[in-house]
Amino acid sequence: DIQMTQSPSSLSASVGDRVTITCQASQDIRRHLNWYQQKPGRAPKLLIFDASTLETGVPTRFSGSGSGTDFTFAISSLQPEDIATYYCQQYNSLPRTFGGGTKVEI
Amino acid sequence: QVQLQESGPGLVKPSQTLSLTCTVSGASISSGGYHWSWIRQLPGKGLEYIGYIYYSGSTYYNPSLKSRLIMSLGTTGNQFSLRLTSVTAADTAVYYCAREVVTARAEYFQHWGQGTLVTVSS
Repeated sequence: DIQMTQSPSSLSASVGDRVTITCQASQDIRRHLNWYQQKPGRAPKLLIFDASTLETGVPTRFSGSGSGTDFTFAISSLQPEDIATYYCQQYNSLPRTFGGGTKVEI
Repeated sequence: QVQLQESGPGLVKPSQTLSLTCTVSGASISSGGYHWSWIRQLPGKGLEYIGYIYYSGSTYYNPSLKSRLIMSLGTTGNQFSLRLTSVTAADTAVYYCAREVVTARAEYFQHWGQGTLVTVSS
């Protein structure tokens, strides 16, 4: 299985801050990476697929980049509604695997 | 719009079989281009991929669960199901069904059910 390592596991930031999360794959996954947002008690929500493509309706303050084994997710200006846990997920091979999550707090 | 809804018992005894159904609305399970998937989240933990069933009935099971897992398409209605045998407390989790979009460019879980908590306990 491909291991996905996210960091940090949690972070605290202020409204308006730029927030970045990294995700490292245990092997080359090209650009086959997605990012999800999960709020407490809710299902994950797709934000970004194909490493950098924003899902329809997702605010442009969210972005993703990277390829190979190293990826970055960013929120350009943190908003109160962005409080959630964020997960990366690879689809280069089966089984799909997720990162351990990054909890973002204000 | 596409909606998925899990249903099934919230409590299962150890060694018994966990059975869940996902009812889909707004889309047909019979159309190609999607993996009808199951994902679980252990309490306070991350996400674990269980597997998928395709409209043709072909399946993929996570090797970590393969020996205990059966997925099937509904015989009536727009549904697919999960059966996990010989459960233990380690199978206590929120179970999600999801539709994975499969294209030449990307594959992603675009639609999710709300999730259902299944507790394994005597």
